Amino acid sequence: GAVVSQHPSRVICKSGTSVKIECRSLDFQATTMFWYRQFPKKSLMLMATSNEGSKATYEQGVEKDKFLINHASLTLSTLTVTSAHPEDSSFYICSAFRADTQYFGPGTRLTVL
Amino acid sequence: DAKTTQPPSMDCAEGRAANLPCNHSTISGNEYVYWYRQIHSQGPQYIIHGLKNNETNEMASLIITEDRKSSTLILPHATLRDTAVYYCIVFYGGATNKLIFGTGTLLAVQP
Repeated sequence: GAVVSQHPSRVICKSGTSVKIECRSLDFQATTMFWYRQFPKKSLMLMATSNEGSKATYEQGVEKDKFLINHASLTLSTLTVTSAHPEDSSFYICSAFRADTQYFGPGTRLTVL
Repeated sequence: DAKTTQPPSMDCAEGRAANLPCNHSTISGNEYVYWYRQIHSQGPQYIIHGLKNNETNEMASLIITEDRKSSTLILPHATLRDTAVYYCIVFYGGATNKLIFGTGTLLAVQP
């Protein structure tokens, strides 16, 4: 099946710093990618839709100035958590469609100290 | 998107078939039924999807009732590695449409 990768797989940062997470579609092009967040023992929550060459669209309640999304090419979307705080600690997962199926990356574990 | 209802947890003996139910009574005519699973601390893995016919692939079988108001995912010979949260999602499809996750079923395969 299609492969979506994420980098890094885990990151620990200090409060107040910014962290960038990359999402790549490895064997296909994706004009649209999605970013999810998952807290422990909870389901995935959709944060935003990343659109190649245009602005991302954010779900209600997600701060667009805090979670910056850039989709500069057909195979790469990035999520930057700006001025991270401990409450931003979570599991971040991206996904992309190929044909009629959505494929997910392995996730990035963010811990903010 | 239509909502789905799944039992929060199920147990299954290793080597036996695991049958995971899903109710989607408000599904509309052009919505597909998708199944994903998530093993602890990993991204969700696509399993199978269907519209109204039963489907089978190397991982599982999907049985959709004739009225499409419910479906069952069948893992024919469950192994310990099948222990995961299984999500049933109804979805219009299309690359720009959002996949919304419910709470899923935690399947625990017992040795």
